Amino acid sequence: DIQMTQSPSSLSASVGDTVTITCRASQGITNYLAWFQQKPGQAPKSLIYATSSLQNGVPSKFSGSASGTDFTLTISSLQPEDFATYYCQQYHTYPPTFGQGTKLEIK
Amino acid sequence: QVQLVESGGGLVKPGGSLRLSCAASAFTFSDYYMSWIRQAPGGGLEWLSHISTSGSPTQYADSVKGRFTISRDNAKNSLYLQMNSLRAEDTAVYYCARVRDTHGSGTNDYWGQGTLVTVSS
Repeated sequence: DIQMTQSPSSLSASVGDTVTITCRASQGITNYLAWFQQKPGQAPKSLIYATSSLQNGVPSKFSGSASGTDFTLTISSLQPEDFATYYCQQYHTYPPTFGQGTKLEIK
Repeated sequence: QVQLVESGGGLVKPGGSLRLSCAASAFTFSDYYMSWIRQAPGGGLEWLSHISTSGSPTQYADSVKGRFTISRDNAKNSLYLQMNSLRAEDTAVYYCARVRDTHGSGTNDYWGQGTLVTVSS
């Protein structure tokens, strides 16, 4: 299985900050990388697919990029509703696999 | 607004069985692959299974292969997960999710709210 390693596992930031979360794939996955946001007690919500394509309705403050097997989610101008756990997922190969998550907390 | 509503979760003894259902609405269910994904308490996300639009082929994670069976009824806009030989480590919230498209092994664009399965004696 392809391993997805997310970093950091937790992150403290302030309202208005810009943060970056990284996901590294254990092998090449071309651009088959998605990002999800999950708030406590809720289902995951799709943010980005195909590395950098925004899900309908997701604000442009969320952006994704890649360099080789390293993938990045950037969230700009943090607002209180952005504090959540974020997961990456590769879907290049079965089984689709998720990173372990990054918990974004208010500083 | 795409809606997915899971049901059928609950408390079951080790070795027991449970059937989860997912009712889909506000999209053409028969046009989409569907998934089951679970999340153990306080844990991360684990993909379990995919099913094609027609019901075959299907794919399973090694952790559930031979014990769980995914199926669908397009006439009823419903997705199912039959879970047999349940173990304590199957305790989790189970989500059904729509597969966005068939690129790669497929990612998910809409998720249900989940149903909790607890396996305990």
